[in-house]
Amino acid sequence: DGGITQSPKYLFRKEGQNVTLSCEQNLNHDAMYWYRQDPGQGLRLIYYSQIVNDFQKGDIAEGYSVSREKKESFPLTVTSAQKNPTAFYLCASSMLLGAINEQYFGPGTRLTVT
Amino acid sequence: AQKVTQAQTEISVVEKEDVTLDCVYETRDTTYYLFWYKQPPSGELVFLIRRNSFDEQNEISGRYSWNFQKSTSSFNFTITASQVVDSAVYFCALLNSGYSTLTFGKGTMLLVSP
Repeated sequence: DGGITQSPKYLFRKEGQNVTLSCEQNLNHDAMYWYRQDPGQGLRLIYYSQIVNDFQKGDIAEGYSVSREKKESFPLTVTSAQKNPTAFYLCASSMLLGAINEQYFGPGTRLTVT
Repeated sequence: AQKVTQAQTEISVVEKEDVTLDCVYETRDTTYYLFWYKQPPSGELVFLIRRNSFDEQNEISGRYSWNFQKSTSSFNFTITASQVVDSAVYFCALLNSGYSTLTFGKGTMLLVSP
């Protein structure tokens, strides 16, 4: 079945540690996105990528980094510089960047940093 | 600047009631796209509908219907005869100028009780 895989579903880290969230898609989509969701805040865009080896900052990129070495993979690293990393993180993909095609979402990773 | 407002934070209804979720948007573009997504308790966002700015015809899909009015910059979503399985957070989103990224509203949590 085609879709987006995010692992793990729950992740716990100590403050000061970097942590990488996985996102894999087998939809052959060119564009991929990372969102952060906080209670009552909706979804906010962290980074997006329209093609391999290229990515752009979203609205809240500070404290995060990404890579796009393969079309199907778009991992997100939450660095120790991110002041409030505890959140629900969603990965998405679409056929092309923006376009009129809808974005498909993964199941999300809930990160808790203590 | 693009903006999407979902003024209703939470709505509670009893099964079989009709319910309307409001969405008001702001954009300077003449061409744009609006979306609705559903986020059930599992966390994964599910695409419901896409509407372009040139098509103001209302749409009905089963128990779901959408009312798009450019004059009031609104794209409201109505569920007829609600069911417990409709309980979820619903997001309205706007595809911004240049068709690169989505701007999401903060979401409306719908609780349908038996």
